[in-house]
This record gives sequence, structure tokens and C-alpha cells, in this order.
Amino acid sequence: TQLLKQSPQFLSIQEGENLTVYCNSSSVFSSLQWYRQEPGEGPVLLVTVVTGGEVKKLKRLTFQFGDARKDSSLHITAAQPGDTGLYLCAGINAGGTSYGKLTFGQGTILTVHP
Amino acid sequence: NAGVTQTPKFQVLKTGQSMTLQCAQDMNHEYMSWYRQDPGMGLRLIHYSVGAGITDQGEVPNGYNVSRSTTEDFPLRLLSAAPSQTSVYFCASSRYNEQFFGPGTRLTVL
Repeated sequence: TQLLKQSPQFLSIQEGENLTVYCNSSSVFSSLQWYRQEPGEGPVLLVTVVTGGEVKKLKRLTFQFGDARKDSSLHITAAQPGDTGLYLCAGINAGGTSYGKLTFGQGTILTVHP
Repeated sequence: NAGVTQTPKFQVLKTGQSMTLQCAQDMNHEYMSWYRQDPGMGLRLIHYSVGAGITDQGEVPNGYNVSRSTTEDFPLRLLSAAPSQTSVYFCASSRYNEQFFGPGTRLTVL
């Protein structure tokens, strides 16, 4: 079983601060995804990173895939209350019959106070 | 285009009862999955399907059955509910590894 560990599990910050969430594994993934989930709803895909060392930006969010494709980070610049939610990383197993089969981290609950 | 729909939204069962969680998608996706979400544990895969008539087990399949008779529908059956199955259940359909999730069913087993 491939495991993904996210840190921190909880993050409470003030509006305007920067933050980074980490997603680590001892296993290699063919790609890695980040999802955001709001209370009472299902997760929504933010980004997919595929290449080792890849960096993707989505407005104030920056996603990075580690060179060895075992870890990833999500950095938010100047956080806003609207960023509040549960952030989940999910790894896609390399090759084979694992299409659509993700391994999720345990999630990071982010609260941004006005 | 409704995306992925799940019913019911909330359900309370007694230990030993059976029920079916319904999931439907209108995006013509071949791949569908069921996950359960528990505090501090992210989402764990229960069962998945790569197309009509084909299903396979995920990480935590015990106590759950699935079938896939059509592309659109992927119901999850609890045969004899146990308190350990208290959780939030999400159905998802996939296109090119992008998962589209339903709104979830919150299940409590007493």
C-alpha cells in the first residue's frame, strides 16, 4: 500500500499570511493531484502535476512536484478567508491498471481568519 | 448536466440493517469509484469500476458490495451495517484521472 502523509494536519492563520502544505511519500507516483473540499461538499480538483520538478501556479496558489516524484507542496501567498477548507493531496500509481485509482493523504484543514 | 449525484444525503441505520447508496453520473465516464472519508484519514477507496460489468476492490472493501450494470449508475450496498461503517461516503467518476466527486452521503450506524 502506498501512503501519503500530509503536514500539517491543521493550520490556522490570519488573512494576508503565507503558508505551505506538504505531501510526502516513500513511494513514487506517476502524478499527483491537489483537491480542495468545502464542508458538505465533495473534493474539487485544483491541479495535477506530472513531471518531477514541475511547478504550477493557480493565482495565489503554487504547486510543486518533487524531483523524485515522491513528494509535493502547496504554497498559498497572501491567504484569504475564501481559502478556508480541507486540502487533500492524492497520488496516482505509476502504470498498470490503476487508472482512476488514487491514494489520498489525510488532509490539511486550513482556517484563514479575517 | 448534473455531474455526479448521490442519494440519500443523510441516513441513519441500526446495526445489522442493509441499505444501498445510490450514485449516478451523466458525463459518460467509464471509471467510477466509491470512497469513505473519516476524520484524519483522508479518503479511502472502497470499490471501483472501469466500465459496465467490471468492478474491483479498493483499499477497504469488506462489508460493501457493488455492481455496475450501466455506465451511468454505480450503487454501493451495505449488507449488514456496523458502527464502524459510520462515515461520509463519496462517489466519483473519472476522466483522464480527474475525479469528479458527488456531494456525499453521511451515514450513521447506531
